[in-house]
Formats: sequence, C-alpha cells, structure tokens
Amino acid sequence: DQQVKQNSPSLSVQEGRISILNCDYTNSMFDYFLWYKKYPAEGPTFLISISSIKDKNEDGRFTVFLNKSAKHLSLHIVPSQPGDSAVYFCAASVRSGGSNYKLTFGKGTLLTVNP
Amino acid sequence: DGGITQSPKYLFRKEGQNVTLSCEQNLNHDAMYWYRQDPGQGLRLIYYSQIVNDFQKGDIAEGYSVSREKKESFPLTVTSAQKNPTAFYLCASSTPTGGVLFFGSGTQLSVL
Repeated sequence: DQQVKQNSPSLSVQEGRISILNCDYTNSMFDYFLWYKKYPAEGPTFLISISSIKDKNEDGRFTVFLNKSAKHLSLHIVPSQPGDSAVYFCAASVRSGGSNYKLTFGKGTLLTVNP
Repeated sequence: DGGITQSPKYLFRKEGQNVTLSCEQNLNHDAMYWYRQDPGQGLRLIYYSQIVNDFQKGDIAEGYSVSREKKESFPLTVTSAQKNPTAFYLCASSTPTGGVLFFGSGTQLSVL
C-alpha cells in the first residue's frame, strides 16, 4: 500500500518557465511533508518542507503548497533552471505524539529543464 | 565539516556472502536510518535507530542486520538471506526533534 504517491514519473519544462511537481498521500496522520532533490549516484538533498498547520511555504525559487482536504501537495519551481534537472522525491512523516520521525517516500519525479 | 560518510561507494557481493556497509556521522544526531533505492522506486526504510544500543525494523528488514554501538556509527550488514541485494543504499540521520533527514552519498551494491 503506497502511502505517498507521485503519479508523474517524469516532467519536462523549458528554462525560465514554472515547474510543478505533484504528490498525493493517503495517511491522514502525516503532519510534516518534505521535498528532496536527488542526482544519480548521490544522496538526496533536502529542499523545502511544510507542516500541516500551514498551506504554503516559500524559499527562494521553491514554494510548496499543501491542500490537507485533498491530501495533496505540490512543489513549484520558478523560474526553472537547467541545474534543477534531477529526481524530486516527496516525503511525509508523523511528527506529533511520538519520537519516530521516519520518512515515507514517493517514487520520485524526474524533472528535465531544457535550455 | 559535518556530514554523513558512507563507504565504500561501490561494493560487490558474491553468492552466499555477507557484506557490511559503513555509515558514520559527525552531526551529533541521535537518530540514524538505512534506506534502499531501486531503479524507478522510492526510498524504502530498512532499519532505523533512535538511540545507541536500540534499533527497529523498517518496512523491508528481512535479510539485513544492523548494530548501533556508538552514536556516530550505524553499519548495515546485507546477509546471504537477502536474495535481491542489488540496490543503492542510503544512510541518513536526524536531530532529536526530527523532521529533516540528512543523507550520505550512498553505496551501490551489486551481486557478482
């Protein structure tokens, strides 16, 4: 049972345009969501996160939106740059009420930004 | 320069052989994790440890073993019972307040 779903395996955008990566989750206990960026043969690097008490978090070119009623979050990258080309993983965890912070990951979306 | 060091970068396993992947962190993090990535798949949790001398199974622990004798170290042994060990293995750590996991650069394990 996949609790975090990234239904688009790949996305291609032009440099300078907006990239929108989507993620859906099924576990209503999740209260903390993260996006990671990963290059081949390297470890994922943390990009941005959002707590369930918020619906938007922004950091430079990256903005994450959370729609709790729809159990959906998205990552917007504006403007997209060729260096953004990588696999993006959505992840979720249950932070409240316990000390277990393990993350559940989606399968990832390969973003290609064309010059 | 704080971080998580995984070694080796590449590892080859023969049939029936146990191999151990090293993970060391100098971030002073209490919690450490092992994930496995297969092509086209997300990261799946193998084992995690929240404190020294304690660890719990993740979603795919069968065929693996770990130890946590020191705060800085969390080695993963891939045993001969793991029938499909070829994958990219990632070690991570996090602070006591949790949230963000910081990852090492990974170990690619292949079967000869």
